[in-house]
Amino acid sequence: EPEVTQTPSHQVTQMGQEVILRCVPISNHLYFYWYRQILGQKVEFLVSFYNNEISEKSEIFDDQFSVERPDGSNFTLKIRSTKLEDSAMYFCASRETGGLGEAFFGQGTRLTVV
Amino acid sequence: SQKIEQNSEALNIQEGKTATLTCNYTNYSPAYLQWYRQDPGRGPVFLLLIRENEKEKRKERLKVTFDTTLKQSLFHITASQPADSATYLCALHPGGYNKLIFGAGTRLAVHP
Repeated sequence: EPEVTQTPSHQVTQMGQEVILRCVPISNHLYFYWYRQILGQKVEFLVSFYNNEISEKSEIFDDQFSVERPDGSNFTLKIRSTKLEDSAMYFCASRETGGLGEAFFGQGTRLTVV
Repeated sequence: SQKIEQNSEALNIQEGKTATLTCNYTNYSPAYLQWYRQDPGRGPVFLLLIRENEKEKRKERLKVTFDTTLKQSLFHITASQPADSATYLCALHPGGYNKLIFGAGTRLAVHP
C-alpha cells in the first residue's frame, strides 16, 4: 500500500539552527501539505503546495519557514532559525486531488529545539 | 470566531458497546467533513468522509452522520474493541480551500 514517508523520525536541534524536514509523498499525488502538532494540542495546518508553488499558508508559516519540491519526489520543509516554540511533531500529507478526498499523512518528524 | 469542538474528555467504554463521538462546528459551512484516527506518536489515518448532502455514511463498524442544520457530526463505532482505543479527529475543509482544519480530538479507551 502506498504511503507518505518522512525523515528523520526525530530531530534535535539547537535554537537558532536551520532544520530541513523531508517527505516523500505518494507518487501520483498532486497536492502536498505540512501540518504540525504541538504536544497535547490539535493538528494545525501550515502550508499547502500545488503545481510547484504555495497555494495557501497559515499565520504560523512566517518568513522563517519555506517549502520546496526539489526533484519531483521529495517535499521539504525548512525552518531557517529554529525557536523553542517550534518544537512539535511535523506531519507531511498528500492528496491525489484538490477537491473531495482523503489526505494521507506520514508518520511525522518529532522536532525538539533545545 | 470559527471553531471545531470535540469532547475534550476521554471516552471510556466497555468492549462490545457502541462509542459515540461528537464534533460541533461554528462559523463554517463545510461541503464535507472527515474523520481520522490518531494513535500516540503517529500521523492521522483517514477513516470516513461525509458530504453535506449525505445524512449518514457507513463503513464496516463505523458510522458517521452529518447535520448541517445543527452543525454537528456524530461518529459511531459499534461492537467496539480494545484495538479501537485511539484519538479520533474531526476535520473539515473551510469552504473552497483544500486545507484541513482539525478538532482537538476525543480520546477513546475501550476496556475488555
